[in-house]
Amino acid sequence: DAGVTQSPTHLIKTRGQQVTLRCSPKSGHDTVSWYQQALGQGPQFIFQYYEEEERQRGNFPDRFSGHQFPNYSSELNVNALLLGDSALYLCASSLANRGSGGELFFGEGSRLTVL
Amino acid sequence: GEDVEQSLFLSVREGDSSVINCTYTDSSSTYLYWYKQEPGAGLQLLTYIFSNMDMKQDQRLTVLLNKKDKHLSLRIADTQTGDSAIYFCAEIYQAGTALIFGKGTTLSVSS
Repeated sequence: DAGVTQSPTHLIKTRGQQVTLRCSPKSGHDTVSWYQQALGQGPQFIFQYYEEEERQRGNFPDRFSGHQFPNYSSELNVNALLLGDSALYLCASSLANRGSGGELFFGEGSRLTVL
Repeated sequence: GEDVEQSLFLSVREGDSSVINCTYTDSSSTYLYWYKQEPGAGLQLLTYIFSNMDMKQDQRLTVLLNKKDKHLSLRIADTQTGDSAIYFCAEIYQAGTALIFGKGTTLSVSS
């Protein structure tokens, strides 16, 4: 059973460019959340997708957008990259049904470097 | 506002027990989590506890929850060098909402 998978694992972009990161949730999970982890910090919530809609959003600008597909996989897009966007981007998957308990699994992350 | 606090560093000797502490502010938290992160890697779910529980044990791991003091701890018995990592405490208000993380506790295990 594959866990949460993310791609690419590493990428380098320059300021002003755009980036797309991808995530496939754990089998059976229907909810995908994205987090940004700057060096030396805990992860910060960006947004969550369920039923192909953004269900909740953290304190991130509109340059950060996302999408969820019918197979529950998700993309995170960041436009007009800034140096401060350099971070590890983590995807987490879970089940929306409360009766499923609290399991919330993370992928290995995509490390973005903006030059 | 929401906040999760952890001590930044803990150093122990191999074979000893480690106790990592965490305090949180949202008394409405439903689940509290412990994640482990090794260098360059993602977050590994170690264990989680529902807010109506006081304790949860899973092999070498024991989680204690004191709701009155909003205090969560993770005890690792017989700590090994492979336990060296950053440990994050996180809380969730309700299923399907955002996890709020602490800054992480770096555990260093010496032989």
